[in-house]
Amino acid sequence: GIQVEQSPPDLILQEGANSTLRCNFSDSVNNLQWFHQNPWGQLINLFYIPSGTKQNGRLSATTVATERYSLLYISSSQTTDSGVYFCAVGQKLVFGTGTRLLVSP
Amino acid sequence: DTEVTQTPKHLVMGMTNKKSLKCEQHMGHRAMYWYKQKAKKPPELMFVYSYEKLSINESVPSRFSPECPNSSLLNLHLHALQPEDSALYLCASSPSLWTGDNEQFFGPGTRLTVL
Repeated sequence: GIQVEQSPPDLILQEGANSTLRCNFSDSVNNLQWFHQNPWGQLINLFYIPSGTKQNGRLSATTVATERYSLLYISSSQTTDSGVYFCAVGQKLVFGTGTRLLVSP
Repeated sequence: DTEVTQTPKHLVMGMTNKKSLKCEQHMGHRAMYWYKQKAKKPPELMFVYSYEKLSINESVPSRFSPECPNSSLLNLHLHALQPEDSALYLCASSPSLWTGDNEQFFGPGTRLTVL
């Protein structure tokens, strides 16, 4: 089956810093989503981005489908950005291993 | 409205109990999903219903029994579970399964503890 890897596994930032999270996948896909999982377990949709670039406030994402990777950019990070970020690909949504982000004041 | 609801939020059950998890969406989506998430791991797919028919069963043990009574509701019946089945159970829905827009929306989950 398809393999999905995320990096880095853990990230600690000071409030106001910028960061880039990466998602690599092993096969071509026509569905890719980025999620933020809050401490209560809720998966919050960030982007549905099979290809191209999207922006939503301080967050943006780019997927280069031909090279099988996607990037999530977080600018001017806030403490509320803390949590686990997952990318997930495919019709059945195979999840990556996640990036655990901690933003300190 | 992009809301998927799940009840209960928390559930504690013994190994001989029978319980059910419930999921509801009112977005007109025709695909619904059950995922299981163990602590510090990513969610893993269990079942997929498309147009109220079971389309995918990821080799889940028979002590988990899904049911889709109508296009808005999805249940997961639990019987004779083991302590290792303790996890966060997540429900999701999407407009379709195989074609077009497949963006999935997740409910808040049911945190299950099996004693």
